[in-house]
Amino acid sequence: DQQVKQNSPSLSVQEGRISILNCDYTNSMFDYFLWYKKYPAEGPTFLISISSIKDKNEDGRFTVFLNKSAKHLSLHIVPSQPGDSAVYFCAAKGDHTGGFKTIFGAGTRLFVKA
Amino acid sequence: GAGVSQTPSNKVTEKGKYVELRCDPISGHTALYWYRQSLGQGPEFLIYFQGTGAADDSGLPNDRFFAVRPEGSVSTLKIQRTERGDSAVYLCASSLTHANTGELFFGEGSRLTVL
Repeated sequence: DQQVKQNSPSLSVQEGRISILNCDYTNSMFDYFLWYKKYPAEGPTFLISISSIKDKNEDGRFTVFLNKSAKHLSLHIVPSQPGDSAVYFCAAKGDHTGGFKTIFGAGTRLFVKA
Repeated sequence: GAGVSQTPSNKVTEKGKYVELRCDPISGHTALYWYRQSLGQGPEFLIYFQGTGAADDSGLPNDRFFAVRPEGSVSTLKIQRTERGDSAVYLCASSLTHANTGELFFGEGSRLTVL
């Protein structure tokens, strides 16, 4: 029962262009969504988040969009840089999971080519 | 230290052996979590501590897995009678609060290989 799905295992983008990473979730009770970034041999690090009362949150080059009716969120990175090459995890939380339990997707590996 | 510290970073053991993995969270973080990440998968929730008590251990796969946090800081994940399927990276995370908006701060993980 995969509640958070990232259907693209990998994505390759040219430096300077936009990277769009997608995520779908199955349970409408999730009310807080996060993106984490992971480099090899390191733990995931928090990148950006969005509450279900919003449909967009922007932080520098990173913007997260939430479409609640479609149970879909996306992370936009623009412009993409080679240092953005990493695995990106979509994650979700909600009171139905106790509020504290973060459920992660399988991740999308982003390659940004110089 | 400044971040979440996990030891050992790598552990190779034989099937049937006992293993302990240690996590030292960020000072002042009351919430501590253990996750397990298998190859090609995202982190999978194992257990959550608020203070000294395990508030939710529903993610522990079976009774061979146990975790403690006796003084509300350092936590130890214990795996008895290890099996090859236990091979994974075990991630520890802490957060300032267990509230819905609390982001997790992860350690670098302990990679367990069971031969």
